Amino acid sequence: AQRVTQPEKLLSVFKGAPVELKCNYSYSGSPELFWYVQYSRQRLQLLLRHISRESIKGFTADLNKGETSFHLKKPFAQEEDSAMYYCALGSSGTASKLTFGTGTRLQVTL
Amino acid sequence: NAGVTQTPKFQVLKTGQSMTLQCAQDMNHNSMYWYRQDPGMGLRLIYYSASEGTTDKGEVPNGYNVSRLNKREFSLRLESAAPSQTSVYFCASSMEGGNNEQFFGPGTRLTVL
Repeated sequence: AQRVTQPEKLLSVFKGAPVELKCNYSYSGSPELFWYVQYSRQRLQLLLRHISRESIKGFTADLNKGETSFHLKKPFAQEEDSAMYYCALGSSGTASKLTFGTGTRLQVTL
Repeated sequence: NAGVTQTPKFQVLKTGQSMTLQCAQDMNHNSMYWYRQDPGMGLRLIYYSASEGTTDKGEVPNGYNVSRLNKREFSLRLESAAPSQTSVYFCASSMEGGNNEQFFGPGTRLTVL
């Protein structure tokens, strides 16, 4: 069975401080991992996916298969980063579906 | 281009009442999904439709039914609502399968008294 664990419900950091949102997964196959974000009064949207290896809004995430982790990082937090972040794991195949973690609320304060 | 639309935005039901949540997408996507979002539980998949004509159970299907009416529309029905179904419901769609970017609707906030 696939499982995604986000251990922190709330992460509060000061503006300009580094951010790391933790995500660990359990999956027997080759994982597809994503970070989705929900800003206040906006729809849930894709932030980044491991396969693209992009940096979006200054965020990066590296898949570590040995530690089964996909932590989201940003060197300097901005106020506009305050949001709910969900890590998600995709299954294989065309009928694939996502398993979401419980989410971490990031609060960036001045 | 509206993306994914959901109706209604809010609904209050009494225990035992039935209702249908509507979802439509105009992006010509093959796959559609229904999730519920509860505090501390994240998003949990209720049902999904990998393509027109197919539907499959997700993690929490009990108490729900779905219909993939056509490629655009995917409805979620509560036959006999229970207080445990109080939640925010999100519909999403993707080109083909969950490993493609999913686009989400604005959500329906449902309260069952």
